[in-house]
Amino acid sequence: SQQGEEDPQALSIQEGENATMNCSYKTSINNLQWYRQNSGRGLVHLILIRSNEREKHSGRLRVTLDTSKKSSSLLITASRAADTASYFCLPGSSNTGKLIFGQGTTLQVKP
Amino acid sequence: DTEVTQTPKHLVMGMTNKKSLKCEQHMGHRAMYWYKQKAKKPPELMFVYSYEKLSINESVPSRFSPECPNSSLLNLHLHALQPEDSALYLCASSQDVPAGGTDTQYFGPGTRLTVL
Repeated sequence: SQQGEEDPQALSIQEGENATMNCSYKTSINNLQWYRQNSGRGLVHLILIRSNEREKHSGRLRVTLDTSKKSSSLLITASRAADTASYFCLPGSSNTGKLIFGQGTTLQVKP
Repeated sequence: DTEVTQTPKHLVMGMTNKKSLKCEQHMGHRAMYWYKQKAKKPPELMFVYSYEKLSINESVPSRFSPECPNSSLLNLHLHALQPEDSALYLCASSQDVPAGGTDTQYFGPGTRLTVL
């Protein structure tokens, strides 16, 4: 298993703006997931993109995956104060179920 | 129902106490997980259960003892903990422990543990 490296570490934007965060990883994957955690509580699964997909949408979320560059991005459009959270990317390449969390991107959306 | 429940929400215990954390899911998932999360740090995997059998122990000290009495329940028994064990303990479940990739994990809200 491997961890993703999220960039930037912290991001602060105004409500209504778009937020983009990036993820890089080192070895080939089967899929990649994004999770969100509000205020140090439980994590919420946002989206899973498979290695043969290039882009996926879910509501205001858009995820891209470039396996040649070993990178992914998460775009949140028209951000809201409730989007304030830490965001983690989890590259999936293991058959053990292990998820290894990186430091995440901390997003602050100011009202 | 995509909910994972954890009890208690908060727990304060002394170093000589014995306590247990409980996690429950009714999604028919066959894989369950314990994570530990210190303040301002990412979650760290502790244990993985697959079909009620322990499949991964991430070199966790024996003062943490997991138990999976059935496919819906996961316990974490705590004994002789240290103050540095104070953390948020998260439980998660997934449909299975898949071959060739990781599966979506559904997390509970966590138990915030304070060891005095």
